Amino acid sequence: SAVISQKPSRDICQRGTSLTIQCQVDSQVTMMFWYRQQPGQSLTLIATANQGSEATYESGFVIDKFPISRPNLTFSTLTVSNMSPEDSSIYLCSVVVKNYGYTFGSGTRLTVV
Amino acid sequence: ELKVEQNPLFLSMQEGKNYTIYCNYSTTSDRLYWYRQDPGKSLESLFVLLSNGAVKQEGRLMASLDTKARLSTLHITAAVHDLSATYFCAVPPLYNTDKLIFGTGTRLQVFP
Repeated sequence: SAVISQKPSRDICQRGTSLTIQCQVDSQVTMMFWYRQQPGQSLTLIATANQGSEATYESGFVIDKFPISRPNLTFSTLTVSNMSPEDSSIYLCSVVVKNYGYTFGSGTRLTVV
Repeated sequence: ELKVEQNPLFLSMQEGKNYTIYCNYSTTSDRLYWYRQDPGKSLESLFVLLSNGAVKQEGRLMASLDTKARLSTLHITAAVHDLSATYFCAVPPLYNTDKLIFGTGTRLQVFP
């Protein structure tokens, strides 16, 4: 299976600012996924990040708010822009490995004050 | 649009008891995943169910899949405190089998 290094693990940010979350995978993967988990809730898919093309966003999520980069097959970033307290959540990246399934990063706990 | 629901949402059970968590999904899919999440932690993969009638067991947990009924169960046998966590099922929609849609989650609390 793949090992994902996600950082930062947590951050407290002022409203109106932006935070970039990084995920590094120890093997090459075609797709990376970004999820949001609001307090006490389930996981909601934000977008799918493909190398060499623009990310595909789910309904309710837009590129201006959650820009994603995918410069190569082992790395991706998610930026949470112009943050408000409603953006306080855990953000997780995930990859799918053939014949194994999905692996998740350790998560970034974001608090916006 | 695929929707995945779990019940119960919260389960408080005594050690040594048995119980079942149910996962229903609204449209056809060919596989289903179960995950465990401890407070403040990421997700740990428990089971991957790849076909109708699939059954997998690990310790006190057993998962099954009925694709015709669009239903999966996670059965807990003789619960112990260490099983206290939140359990999620997740399903990939057939129109895009690379992504996962997560269930609502079941928060399990096992007490002495």
